Amino acid sequence: EAGVTQFPSHSVIEKGQTVTLRCDPISGHDNLYWYRRVMGKEIKFLLHFVKESKQDESGMPNNRFLAERTGGTYSTLKVQPAELEDSGVYFCASSQVRGGNSPLHFGNGTRLTVT
Amino acid sequence: DQQVKQNSPSLSVQEGRISILNCDYTNSMFDYFLWYKKYPAEGPTFLISISSIKDKNEDGRFTVFLNKSAKHLSLHIVPSQPGDSAVYFCAASGYGGGTSYGKLTFGQGTILTVHP
Repeated sequence: EAGVTQFPSHSVIEKGQTVTLRCDPISGHDNLYWYRRVMGKEIKFLLHFVKESKQDESGMPNNRFLAERTGGTYSTLKVQPAELEDSGVYFCASSQVRGGNSPLHFGNGTRLTVT
Repeated sequence: DQQVKQNSPSLSVQEGRISILNCDYTNSMFDYFLWYKKYPAEGPTFLISISSIKDKNEDGRFTVFLNKSAKHLSLHIVPSQPGDSAVYFCAASGYGGGTSYGKLTFGQGTILTVHP
């Protein structure tokens, strides 16, 4: 079974540019999450999809961030325009069942550097 | 307002000894607790979990203890091995309906180094 895959693994962009991160969850996993870790701090929740619907986007920092999951398969996270404080590692995770007893499977992350 | 805290940024242990990683939480609505392990340039991988109705869960060398009254949990690794060297994250989630169901709140992580 293929794990959660994320692309690109690393992206370096200038302030004001646009970047799109992609996540392919484990096949059959309806739940897809985006998280972010900034400067070695805690991993923070951004949002949660159930299939193609946004279930919870309470962690999205501001309207420069747009997440989509068309068709309920892969997801994209676009940052436009990027700011310096957006730098960090963006993790995607998926799970088959929604709940505390269903551990999330994480991808290796996309390291975003905004200069 | 950080609801899950790992107050020790790092821990160094000799191979064969016990590693004890600690985690405190403030939200009494958390009902499920998990530990994740993370190697450099990789995503977190699930290690072990515990429900709030239990006070201990064991899986091989790994045991998680939960003290609900103190809002504290710990991960014990016995015996520690060099391959256990990684960042360990404590995480919590809430049961029931609502948007918090299934969403994890993480601590800052503790870097464990096991010396041969």
